[in-house]
Amino acid sequence: KQEVTQIPAALSVPEGENLVLNCSFTDSAIYNLQWFRQDPGKGLTSLLLIQSSQREQTSGRLNASLDKSSGRSTLYIAASQPGDSATYLCAVSITGTASKLTFGTGTRLQVTL
Amino acid sequence: DAGVIQSPRHEVTEMGQEVTLRCKPISGHNSLFWYRQTMMRGLELLIYFNNNVPIDDSGMPEDRFSAKMPNASFSTLKIQPSEPRDSAVYFCASSLGRRNTEAFFGQGTRLTVV
Repeated sequence: KQEVTQIPAALSVPEGENLVLNCSFTDSAIYNLQWFRQDPGKGLTSLLLIQSSQREQTSGRLNASLDKSSGRSTLYIAASQPGDSATYLCAVSITGTASKLTFGTGTRLQVTL
Repeated sequence: DAGVIQSPRHEVTEMGQEVTLRCKPISGHNSLFWYRQTMMRGLELLIYFNNNVPIDDSGMPEDRFSAKMPNASFSTLKIQPSEPRDSAVYFCASSLGRRNTEAFFGQGTRLTVV
C-alpha cells in the first residue's frame, strides 16, 4: 500500500526566505506526482504536476523535483511571501489512466512579515 | 469554466438522517472523484468514476455510503443513515482521465452530523 509522508508538518519563515518542502512515498511505481495548495476552508489548487519520466517542473517562484527511485519529491518556494501561507499537499498517482491520488498529510506553511 | 461545483457548501444534520452531496464536474472531464478529508486521516479517496461508470469504490467506508453518476455533468454522494463520525469535508474532483493530467477540486462540502 502506497504511503505518502510530508516533512515538516508545519513551518514558519520570515518573508523573503527561500524554503523547501519535502514529500516521500513508499512505492516508486508511480505515474506522476502533484503538489497542491489548500487555503483554510477552501478546496485544493493544483500547483505542479511532475510526470514519472520528468525530474522537475517549474512555475513562477515554485520548483518541484522528483527522484522516483528514492521515493522523494521537493517543492522549492523562492522569495516567500505572506500570500504563500497555506497548507501544501503532495499526492502520487497510482494509476495511469485516471488521477487516482494518494495524498500526504501536508505541510502547513506560515510566512511572516 | 466555473470549475468543479459542489453543493451545499455546509450541511448540518442530525444523526440518522439522509445526506446527499452534489457535484458538477468541469465540462469535458470524464473522470470524477469523491474524497473525504478529516484531521485524523487526511484526504482519502472514496470512489471514482470514469465515463460515468464506477471504477473503484474500495474507499467507501460502509454500505451507508453510496455514489451515483447518472450523466457526465452530475454526481451525488449519499450517506444513509448518517452518523457523527461521518463529519468531515467531502471534496469532489474531476480530470480529463488521461495519463498525467491534473485533478481539479471543488470547494468541498463541510458536513457536520450531530
